[in-house]
Amino acid sequence: SQKIEQNSEALNIQEGKTATLTCNYTNYSPAYLQWYRQDPGRGPVFLLLIRENEKEKRKERLKVTFDTTLKQSLFHITASQPADSATYLCALLSPYNQGGKLIFGQGTELSVKP
Amino acid sequence: EPEVTQTPSHQVTQMGQEVILRCVPISNHLYFYWYRQILGQKVEFLVSFYNNEISEKSEIFDDQFSVERPDGSNFTLKIRSTKLEDSAMYFCASLRNTEAFFGQGTRLTVV
Repeated sequence: SQKIEQNSEALNIQEGKTATLTCNYTNYSPAYLQWYRQDPGRGPVFLLLIRENEKEKRKERLKVTFDTTLKQSLFHITASQPADSATYLCALLSPYNQGGKLIFGQGTELSVKP
Repeated sequence: EPEVTQTPSHQVTQMGQEVILRCVPISNHLYFYWYRQILGQKVEFLVSFYNNEISEKSEIFDDQFSVERPDGSNFTLKIRSTKLEDSAMYFCASLRNTEAFFGQGTRLTVV
């Protein structure tokens, strides 16, 4: 069955450092890999998307890489700030002609200390 | 900016009762979703809806659940005969191109 695995342990880093989160998947051929942020008690918020034919995407302090051979994505937050503390979710979106299913990993909780 | 709205924000129901969770997706979006998140656990896919029918559903989405888009704007999730383990946060989302927008969720508590 389809599976998405993220760093199971919470990640604690010092302000100003780069946070790197990992997402691995199996039995899946997604069209798009996405990253969302979720704060406690709130719905996920879309951050970035990378297509299956792209290797890297950047947006301000965020960078995502996508390796379809390894079936892995890395999500980086550079110059991290305490306000970046949240749970980060990896998600895979199937092509629309395959149902447009969007499924999430279990999330990695990031804590940035001042 | 358009947003997905969900009502109610919190619902308490007795075990065995039926509940209807309501969502108003963003109007020009094409795909609609329901997710469940049990406290401290992952966001679990329940169902996707496109062109007025279910396009995909998970193993969780059994005969106890149903979805409807009765009037072109509302998108509802009905849970028949609720069980204690249905207690969770339920999120609705709608998709524009490749970006999903989520509502703030309905916290369902079954007692």
